[in-house]
Amino acid sequence: AQTVTQSQPEMSVQEAETVTLSCTYDTSESDYYLFWYKQPPSRQMILVIRQEAYKQQNATENRFSVNFQKAAKSFSLKISDSQLGDAAMYFCAYVEYGGATNKLIFGTGTLLAVQP
Amino acid sequence: GAVVSQHPSRVICKSGTSVKIECRSLDFQATTMFWYRQFPKKSLMLMATSNEGSKATYEQGVEKDKFLINHASLTLSTLTVTSAHPEDSSFYICSAARDSHTDTQYFGPGTRLTVL
Repeated sequence: AQTVTQSQPEMSVQEAETVTLSCTYDTSESDYYLFWYKQPPSRQMILVIRQEAYKQQNATENRFSVNFQKAAKSFSLKISDSQLGDAAMYFCAYVEYGGATNKLIFGTGTLLAVQP
Repeated sequence: GAVVSQHPSRVICKSGTSVKIECRSLDFQATTMFWYRQFPKKSLMLMATSNEGSKATYEQGVEKDKFLINHASLTLSTLTVTSAHPEDSSFYICSAARDSHTDTQYFGPGTRLTVL
């Protein structure tokens, strides 16, 4: 079974600094998608960034970028120039591409605090 | 685009009653919808997957007679918690995907259920 591991239950970063959240996953598949979702105190899940496994280039969305290491099954999220609004729970998620139904498998989450 | 709503946002009910939660895709057609449950400070747990016009597929350990799911149209899925008990109190989140092979799910804002 596919699993997603986030080894950092909590992280803290100073405003304007950079922070990296780690995520590893386990799969025997070669085609899949990886995601980072943000869940602020409102509890609305927000898609931050997605990565297709067959693409070697790391995905980037403004201040958010990933370091995707397929062989190591690692998918870390880097947040640059951290802002107070970045404070949230961050979930790494994996979805298997091409199955009967694409189901998201979530990690346990990392709670990010941003210090002013 | 890709907005998903849930109604109600919070509900309090007495033990033994049934509660219906609606999930709507507002600006796209969702062939597939997902229902999750989230406990405080925990990750999302997939309860079931529903495809429009078909019976829902429940995850292991989820009682299908307890959590009734209806996906009657391409924009609406409902979750009914039947004969609710205090242990059913939780945060329920739905998500919608354009089809079962689409990788990206769009999440609703969630419903807080409290059973007295």
